[in-house]
Amino acid sequence: AQSVTQLGSHVSVSEGALVLLRCNYSSSVPPYLFWYVQYPNQGLQLLLKYTSAATLVKGINGFEAEFKKSETSFHLTKPSAHMSDAAEYFCAVSDTSRGNQGGKLIFGQGTELSVKP
Amino acid sequence: DSGVTQTPKHLITATGQRVTLRCSPRSGDLSVYWYQQSLDQGLQFLIQYYNGEERAKGNILERFSAQQFPDLHSELNLSSLELGDSALYFCASSARTGGTDTQYFGPGTRLTVL
Repeated sequence: AQSVTQLGSHVSVSEGALVLLRCNYSSSVPPYLFWYVQYPNQGLQLLLKYTSAATLVKGINGFEAEFKKSETSFHLTKPSAHMSDAAEYFCAVSDTSRGNQGGKLIFGQGTELSVKP
Repeated sequence: DSGVTQTPKHLITATGQRVTLRCSPRSGDLSVYWYQQSLDQGLQFLIQYYNGEERAKGNILERFSAQQFPDLHSELNLSSLELGDSALYFCASSARTGGTDTQYFGPGTRLTVL
């Protein structure tokens, strides 16, 4: 079965510092991976996705993620944090297991990012 | 704004009651997905419809049901509500079905069962 694990339920950084949010996946087939952001009292917004093209994926708001098959990782980074980046971030894998005809997402538990002034 | 709309935004009801949550997908999207977000379970997939037909089923209770209508909007029906059903329910839509399709999420319906 496919799954994702997000390391760290809460990450705190200073404004201007590097943001690193960790995500490891488990999949027996080539995965399709996504990062979503959820601001308070809002729905989820797609930051970026990996669908087996370039391993370094650039997303919105200056975020990027690198797919590393050898490490089964898809960590999210941003060179310089901004106060507006404070939110909850979710890593997800699309369920492409045999017998699944849909495209359901399997989410990690989420990482709450705090940005200190 | 993702283009996915959900009504109502908030719903407060009592145990044993039945409620209906409504979702309108983005224009042109054929797939609708329902997810439940709770503190203890996180984000869990419930069910997917594609062009009016059920495509995939997840951890959806028998007390819950859904359908997608010819105009592609979808409804999630929750019956015999229990305290543990209190959660945020999200609808998402995508153009087609399949692993690479981007799912666009609505703002959610917050259900409180008292």
